[in-house]
Amino acid sequence: SQTIHQWPATLVQPVGSPLSLECTVEGTSNPNLYWYRQAAGRGLQLLFYSVGIGQISSEVPQNLSASRPQDRQFILSSKKLLLSDSGFYLCAWRNRDRGEQYFGPGTRLTVT
Amino acid sequence: AQSVTQLGSHVSVSEGALVLLRCNYSSSVPPYLFWYVQYPNQGLQLLLKYTSAATLVKGINGFEAEFKKSETSFHLTKPSAHMSDAAEYFCAVSSHGGSSASKIIFGSGTRLSIRP
Repeated sequence: SQTIHQWPATLVQPVGSPLSLECTVEGTSNPNLYWYRQAAGRGLQLLFYSVGIGQISSEVPQNLSASRPQDRQFILSSKKLLLSDSGFYLCAWRNRDRGEQYFGPGTRLTVT
Repeated sequence: AQSVTQLGSHVSVSEGALVLLRCNYSSSVPPYLFWYVQYPNQGLQLLLKYTSAATLVKGINGFEAEFKKSETSFHLTKPSAHMSDAAEYFCAVSSHGGSSASKIIFGSGTRLSIRP
């Protein structure tokens, strides 16, 4: 069966510090991968998606970036965090032969 | 372009009462439709999906949804609410899952509260 991991689960970082969030998927190959953010009490905002190694599409221009160095690894980064980057970050994968997405457990980021 | 609208950001029902969460979609091609549930501080979990087979779809935890093309709706129901159903529910739409660039479009979510 497939599983998706995210780490860390929670993170508190000062403004201006760098960020690296990691997501890995097990039990599938060549998935589509997605990064979402949820601000407090808000819906899902799609940040980035990837259809293959090194292929990244950005949905929202901002100080975040994403990379996919391996087939089942997706990384979200920032060089300098802003207060507005606080939120709940969710990674998801999707098998291209099926319709649904599967989500990871999320990372709660608080920028202070 | 595809879109989904969830009517009501917050729904409150009594324990044992009918749950009805409304979702309307817009799609120029036959859609795939989904309902997800999110408990506090957790990821989203798939409740059920419609992929052009039976129009009445049964999911986990006693939930079901009916695809009505004429009304472009995909409302989520449960006959009898439990306290454990309190969560955020998201409706979503996508085009055929085989496209490598296809994305799922999520609604803004409906928070379900259950009164004792």
